[in-house]
Amino acid sequence: AQKVTQAQTEISVVEKEDVTLDCVYETRDTTYYLFWYKQPPSGELVFLIRRNSFDEQNEISGRYSWNFQKSTSSFNFTITASQVVDSAVYFCALKRASGGGADGLTFGKGTHLIIQP
Amino acid sequence: DTAVSQTPKYLVTQMGNDKSIKCEQNLGHDTMYWYKQDSKKFLKIMFSYNNKELIINETVPNRFSPKSPDKAHLNLHINSLELGDSAVYFCASSHLTGQETQYFGPGTRLLVL
Repeated sequence: AQKVTQAQTEISVVEKEDVTLDCVYETRDTTYYLFWYKQPPSGELVFLIRRNSFDEQNEISGRYSWNFQKSTSSFNFTITASQVVDSAVYFCALKRASGGGADGLTFGKGTHLIIQP
Repeated sequence: DTAVSQTPKYLVTQMGNDKSIKCEQNLGHDTMYWYKQDSKKFLKIMFSYNNKELIINETVPNRFSPKSPDKAHLNLHINSLELGDSAVYFCASSHLTGQETQYFGPGTRLLVL
């Protein structure tokens, strides 16, 4: 069975601080995909990144960066110089590759990030 | 040019009623999904359809019945609504190949009174 753990239920920081959201996953599959989604207060789910299990390169996109480490089964997300607009619930998700493309995502419980002005 | 759309956005109804939520995607994807987000924001897959064929049916009561008239549409019909069905329902779509990203609709907030 697959499992995604986001141990931080809520994080509150002051604007311009850096913040890291943790994600730890469990899977028996050797090939899988990891995702991060953002859910702002308006409620939609916005795709941020997908990472394949065979690609451990870290990724940076503007103020966002992701650190994937298979050795610790972690896929952490860092926001540099946070802004109020970053306030949202962030979900980490896992999808196995072996079961076929129509598998659903296994989501973590989400981390509610509050950026205070 | 909305990619994945859902109607209605809000749905308030009485216990025992039957209701439907519609989903359409214009991304050319061949696989569509329904997810349920509960009051604690936990997201869980309910169904997935590929080319109008049901692929996944998680442990969902049979009061929930998905229907896919074509690849671009996946509707969710719920019979005999119960209080516990109150949630946000998200439709999503992707290509079938394993690594494809799932793109979500805006969600339908269902409140059963």
